[in-house]
Amino acid sequence: ETGVTQTPRHLVMGMTNKKSLKCEQHLGHNAMYWYKQSAKKPLELMFVYSLEERVENNSVPSRFSPECPNSSHLFLHLHTLQPEDSALYLCASSQDPTGTDNSPLHFGNGTRLTVT
Amino acid sequence: QKEVEQDPGPLSVPEGAIVSLNCTYSNSAFQYFMWYRQYSRKGPELLMYTYSSGNKEDGRFTAQVDKSSKYISLFIRDSQPSDSATYLCARGWRFGAGTRLTVKP
Repeated sequence: ETGVTQTPRHLVMGMTNKKSLKCEQHLGHNAMYWYKQSAKKPLELMFVYSLEERVENNSVPSRFSPECPNSSHLFLHLHTLQPEDSALYLCASSQDPTGTDNSPLHFGNGTRLTVT
Repeated sequence: QKEVEQDPGPLSVPEGAIVSLNCTYSNSAFQYFMWYRQYSRKGPELLMYTYSSGNKEDGRFTAQVDKSSKYISLFIRDSQPSDSATYLCARGWRFGAGTRLTVKP
């Protein structure tokens, strides 16, 4: 399998649930990202991992907890979410871990999260 | 000020029209700029990238950077209904808001 794979594709959870989103990249890249995409809003960068270390945390609430056990896998652990957290959560990877502007991102197709 | 700014539209054009999508950026040190295309229920995919100033052409698509005005443009010639998507400009991991384009048959 190639590219960036995200599971599950769809997730419905209650506000008291705990769930995890999974991302796997098969591109040999060194950096991985979580983005949030809400309806009619810009793509919001949440977390950046470079060589398995978190290098960017964009003021994300603590109810979102990322985990990067190795350079190919990225998780987003969710707990006590709010309805406004309903969105498409996108994972991406890139070769360049420094955030410079010449390394394109490769995205998965996202997890559509609905919080009830 | 955001690093990359983009008018979210939406933009609707008839088939065959020339489409112009635009972004501005804040830091004159930026060298590479990317354009991504996102279809409904899919993640964004890289469409084109350009380096510094000038034009880059790929089929019906032309990406242009004007460093003097800090302006990035994407032109689509002979637009097709299959071009209907959201187009996002980016620098590194920072993205513009995305412009939703609809090409009507």
